[in-house]
Amino acid sequence: AQTVTQSQPEMSVQEAETVTLSCTYDTSESDYYLFWYKQPPSRQMILVIRQEAYKQQNATENRFSVNFQKAAKSFSLKISDSQLGDAAMYFCAYRRGSGGGADGLTFGKGTHLIIQP
Amino acid sequence: AAGVIQSPRHLIKEKRETATLKCYPIPRHDTVYWYQQGPGQDPQFLISFYEKMQSDKGSIPDRFSAQQFSDYHSELNMSSLELGDSALYFCASSSPFPGREVAEAFFGQGTRLTVV
Repeated sequence: AQTVTQSQPEMSVQEAETVTLSCTYDTSESDYYLFWYKQPPSRQMILVIRQEAYKQQNATENRFSVNFQKAAKSFSLKISDSQLGDAAMYFCAYRRGSGGGADGLTFGKGTHLIIQP
Repeated sequence: AAGVIQSPRHLIKEKRETATLKCYPIPRHDTVYWYQQGPGQDPQFLISFYEKMQSDKGSIPDRFSAQQFSDYHSELNMSSLELGDSALYFCASSSPFPGREVAEAFFGQGTRLTVV
């Protein structure tokens, strides 16, 4: 079974600074997808960024980018120019690629990101 | 844009009672997922449906059952409720994807179930 590990229960960063959240995963699959979800105090789950395992190029979405190291099974999230609205719980998630797309996500335990004004 | 609709938003039940949670996916989405998130926990995948058929199964207790109807809405039925079932229950939906595109799952706002 696949597992997702987020080793940082909490991170704090000054507004406008850059922060990196760590995520490692374990799987025997070769085809899979990785995601970062944001959960603000409203508890809404919001997709931040996604990465297909077969793509070597790291995904980027505006101020958010990932460092995907497939051999090391590492998938870190970098947030540049941190804003107060980025404060939330961030979950790393994995989904296997086979199965037609209806497979469930496996989440890490989450990292609580605090933005200091 | 239309989002995933879950009802009710809040539900209070007593132990051993039954609860039914409903999920209305985004129009033209044919895949529905259910997740359970306990207090301070990460979401745990329960079950998914694709074209009204069960697709994947996670850590769903035997006391729970779910189905997807002809209009693609889904219901999660929970019987013999226990205190430990108190949690936020998310439904998510996605649309079919051709080739190797990623089917992004869009989450509803959740149903907060409290068992007393």
